[in-house]
Amino acid sequence: ETGVTQTPRHLVMGMTNKKSLKCEQHLGHNAMYWYKQSAKKPLELMFVYNFKEQTENNSVPSRFSPECPNSSHLFLHLHTLQPEDSALYLCASSQEGTGGNYGYTFGSGTRLTVV
Amino acid sequence: AQKITQTQPGMFVQEKEAVTLDCTYDTSDPSYGLFWYKQPSSGEMIFLIYQGSYDQQNATEGRYSLNFQKARKSANLVISASQLGDSAMYFCAMREGFNNLFFGTGTRLTVIP
Repeated sequence: ETGVTQTPRHLVMGMTNKKSLKCEQHLGHNAMYWYKQSAKKPLELMFVYNFKEQTENNSVPSRFSPECPNSSHLFLHLHTLQPEDSALYLCASSQEGTGGNYGYTFGSGTRLTVV
Repeated sequence: AQKITQTQPGMFVQEKEAVTLDCTYDTSDPSYGLFWYKQPSSGEMIFLIYQGSYDQQNATEGRYSLNFQKARKSANLVISASQLGDSAMYFCAMREGFNNLFFGTGTRLTVIP
C-alpha cells in the first residue's frame, strides 16, 4: 500500500448509529488532517494532528470524535449524526518542519450518507 | 475573509486546446505556498503543482503551468493540450507559513471532444 488509504469508501448510516472512518498513511509523514467536503462549499478543515497531538479543532460538533493512536493512523468516530453531516470526508497527511513543497497528500475519501 | 477566490464555477474547453483556471489569494504573510489540486469524480484530491512565494520562476509540471503574478496576488493554472481525462474539479489552495492548507471553492472543468 502506498500513499493515503481511507476506508470505507462509502458509508450509509442511520442517525442513531455509531461508525468510524479510518485513514492510514504510508508516507512517513508526521501530520494528519480531516477535511469535510459538502456540495457547493469549500473544503472545511476539521481536525489537525501533529506528531499524534491534536493541534486544531475547528469548532466541530462533538458528534465527531477524532483519534490518532500513532503517526500513521487517524480515525474519525461518528455518533448520532444529522442528515446535514452527509458529505465526502477526506483525510490528508504532510511532513511538517521541513522546507520546500509542504503540500498535503490526500486519500480518496469516504462518502458518508446519513439517513 | 476569503483567502482563496476562484471566480469560475465552471469552464469548458475543446480537446487539445489550452485553458486557464483563475485563482486569486489574499495574504499579508511574505512566506506562503500556492497549490493546485485536481479532484475527479472518484473523490481523491490529486496534487498538480506548487508555487512558493519566493520562487522566481513560474512552476511547470508537464502540461500544467502556474502563472504566478505576485503583485496581483494571482496564481492561475494553465493546462495545455487538454485531454478528456482532464475533466474534473480543480482547487486552488494556499498555506501561509506553516499554517494549514485552505482551499477555494473550485472550478469544474469539462473537456469537450
